[in-house]
Amino acid sequence: DVKVTQSSRYLVKRTGEKVFLECVQDMDHENMFWYRQDPGLGLRLIYFSYDVKMKEKGDIPEGYSVSREKKERFSLILESASTNQTSMYLCASSLPYPLRDVEETQYFGPGTRLLVL
Amino acid sequence: AQTVTQSQPEMSVQEAETVTLSCTYDTSESDYYLFWYKQPPSRQMILVIRQEAYKQQNATENRFSVNFQKAAKSFSLKISDSQLGDAAMYFCAYSGQGGSEKLVFGKGMKLTVNP
Repeated sequence: DVKVTQSSRYLVKRTGEKVFLECVQDMDHENMFWYRQDPGLGLRLIYFSYDVKMKEKGDIPEGYSVSREKKERFSLILESASTNQTSMYLCASSLPYPLRDVEETQYFGPGTRLLVL
Repeated sequence: AQTVTQSQPEMSVQEAETVTLSCTYDTSESDYYLFWYKQPPSRQMILVIRQEAYKQQNATENRFSVNFQKAAKSFSLKISDSQLGDAAMYFCAYSGQGGSEKLVFGKGMKLTVNP
């Protein structure tokens, strides 16, 4: 089974702190994603990566950066945490462009609930 | 840009009954994938069912089935014989390429199952 783990389930930080959220997957997936989940807004894509050292902005990248030095690890960085970044953060991974008729999807981690005070 | 709309924020169903969750989407692409994801209170998001747009046959997975209407851009999920464990947030999602590329999610719908 695919396993995607996130370093913390709950995190409390202060405004202005630099915050690192870590995500690790064990299935040798090329693609990795960071989403933010807020009530009434669903999931919104922050950043994604198709390969080591490659990254692309998603729909809401402002205030965030990412790092992917190893294939299995994708880090989300809040350079200077703000209260409006209080949210649930979900990491996901997947294979690259799959073959048709192959059941494939993104696999999600358990999420990190971040509170910025 | 693609959009996914789930118009019902909450629904409830009696145990053993059938419930249908609605989803519409907007895209100009002809080849795409649609998904229903489930997020139980423990928060681990899992795939419920997947539909490839080029396939006319509706996907089924045990008690879960979809009604895919490509022309109407509608993708509803039917849950038969509802169980207490079906209680969760359900998200409809769209992917324009291979099915594991970027996902566009709807806002989600909370399903309550009453005993």
